[in-house]
Amino acid sequence: SAVISQKPSRDICQRGTSLTIQCQVDSQVTMMFWYRQQPGQSLTLIATANQGSEATYESGFVIDKFPISRPNLTFSTLTVSNMSPEDSSIYLCSVEEGSGEQYFGPGTRLTVT
Amino acid sequence: EDQVTQSPEALRLQEGESSSLNCSYTVSGLRGLFWYRQDPGKGPEFLFTLYSAGEEKEKERLKATLTKKESFLHITAPKPEDSATYLCAIISSGSARQLTFGSGTQLTVLP
Repeated sequence: SAVISQKPSRDICQRGTSLTIQCQVDSQVTMMFWYRQQPGQSLTLIATANQGSEATYESGFVIDKFPISRPNLTFSTLTVSNMSPEDSSIYLCSVEEGSGEQYFGPGTRLTVT
Repeated sequence: EDQVTQSPEALRLQEGESSSLNCSYTVSGLRGLFWYRQDPGKGPEFLFTLYSAGEEKEKERLKATLTKKESFLHITAPKPEDSATYLCAIISSGSARQLTFGSGTQLTVLP
């Protein structure tokens, strides 16, 4: 399976600022996904990012708040903009392989104060 | 709307005490059901994919089964290192590959 890394692994940010999270994969993949995992909860899909096209956002998530870039087949970024304490979560990227299974990165733990 | 419900929310077992975790789902058409393991502070680790009713997959002490309405993750003679949160997720036929996750079962295996 693909090896996925994320940067930063964790960060503490001030309200009103923005943070860009990077996701790097060791092989070329078509589909990448960004998820949010709020404290004590399961994963919620934010958006799907395909190379060469705009990201597709799920209900409740908008591009102005969570802009995504996908410049090539091994890299993507998610920006959390104008942060508030409610944005404190773990943010995870994943890639799809084979017959639909997704493999996840280690996550970025974000705390907004 | 696709839904995934996992039970129990938490399970404590003694080492060697076998048990099962349940994942029930509602979907118009199932493309696949997935089991993941998540350790604290880490991303989910892929375990199994099941595609059709009657299918079974095994890996060490874990065995996953699938019916038309639910899936079970059977844990045989668990060890403390099996302690983790186990997540179930589905992809429906019309969902363009997005995973819908259940809330997970937190398993603790006591030595």
